[in-house]
Amino acid sequence: DTEVTQTPKHLVMGMTNKKSLKCEQHMGHRAMYWYKQKAKKPPELMFVYSYEKLSINESVPSRFSPECPNSSLLNLHLHALQPEDSALYLCASSQGSGGPYEQYFGPGTRLTVT
Amino acid sequence: KNQVEQSPQSLIILEGKNCTLQCNYTVSPFSNLRWYKQDTGRGPVSLTIMTFSENTKSNGRYTATLDADTKQSSLHITASQLSDSASYICVVSAASAAGNKLTFGGGTRVLVKP
Repeated sequence: DTEVTQTPKHLVMGMTNKKSLKCEQHMGHRAMYWYKQKAKKPPELMFVYSYEKLSINESVPSRFSPECPNSSLLNLHLHALQPEDSALYLCASSQGSGGPYEQYFGPGTRLTVT
Repeated sequence: KNQVEQSPQSLIILEGKNCTLQCNYTVSPFSNLRWYKQDTGRGPVSLTIMTFSENTKSNGRYTATLDADTKQSSLHITASQLSDSASYICVVSAASAAGNKLTFGGGTRVLVKP
């Protein structure tokens, strides 16, 4: 099983809502990632978790709050977002965070903030 | 500042023809270089990963080259098919204490026409 799953596929939320994005992998990977991708742009790294601990936060606003409950799950909690936060949010995982490990990406969650 | 530049930004090719995509990078310290294929609205899928010592790697009709001295890579698509229409993203990984950090190129959008 080389699949990374993400739910929901699509999400529309208002600026006062609280919602969460979920990501799951069962490949035994110990590194998981959140990326944000705007249309026709490459993905931008947001967070990296290594062995369930946050190892990289790319200066992401606090309205985005990541959580890694266990080695298979990664959540992204959203609160008080802005319309410019509308994007495709991609989750990825890899065997480790160092070395030439392949990153497996999920299909993404298309987020629209109204 | 780590940067990855890709060219061309987009290209149109006829089905069955070959094409070559370019990637120049200034990333230090270099760990590895990856090529991804991304269909619109989907997560990227890895095509190849190359470390410093590798100068060519193939994956079916895709062949990637790496010249670590000139900091250049190319992705060659042989006998293109309609399903090759996608964005191709060059990603260079820099080693850091917190784990590998990826720098994404802007991508090349390829359209294969019948």
